[in-house]
Amino acid sequence: EVQLVESGGGLVQPGGSLRLSCAASGFTVSNDCVNWVRRAPGNGLEWISVVSCGGRTYYADSVKGRFSASRDTSKNTVFLQMNSLRVEDTAVYYCARGGGGSGWDFLDYWGQGALATVAS
Amino acid sequence: SYELTQPPSLSVSPGQTATITCSGDELEDKYVCWYQQRPGQSPVLVLFEDDKRPSGIPERFSGSNSGNTATLTISGTQSMDEADYYCHVWDSNALVFGGGTRLTVL
Repeated sequence: EVQLVESGGGLVQPGGSLRLSCAASGFTVSNDCVNWVRRAPGNGLEWISVVSCGGRTYYADSVKGRFSASRDTSKNTVFLQMNSLRVEDTAVYYCARGGGGSGWDFLDYWGQGALATVAS
Repeated sequence: SYELTQPPSLSVSPGQTATITCSGDELEDKYVCWYQQRPGQSPVLVLFEDDKRPSGIPERFSGSNSGNTATLTISGTQSMDEADYYCHVWDSNALVFGGGTRLTVL
């Protein structure tokens, strides 16, 4: 059974950092692409980043240069390092497995989400 | 960057058909998928590659994609279908979501 479990959310001041983890089971992060998607209060879903099955990473313009995604294949876990956080980064962050021909045409399994709150 | 446009809200009565649209430039050249997100829950994939249903998704969910518009159709809408719905495409090494449509079943 495919499962993704996020952890690492919390309260941080503007300018601070948080590191989210996404522990995967039922598939291997070395073979599948794992994406990060967030939903801010009152807003819709926003794609943030992907760690592709080839190990490459891509980012949305809104977080480029501040967020960094990585993976540890020995722990079958993907990470999202969030630096220089802003109030507008407050959101529930989801990790999701990619599927389809490109490896991430669609997101077929999602975690339960981790809340990151940026406030002073 | 690529943009997808959805109506913000839609209301239907139980048993009626709900039709949610998603518009984008030459959208028919891309594969569209759709997600359902109920309040307090994680998103769920309900359609991929325009019109394919993942295992476990009821047959009342169907989709199409032609020209600049993709459509999610829910036939015989039930109260449990009340949720936010998002369309989504892959474009230029990024994923793009529509703004979402809140479906209310009155």
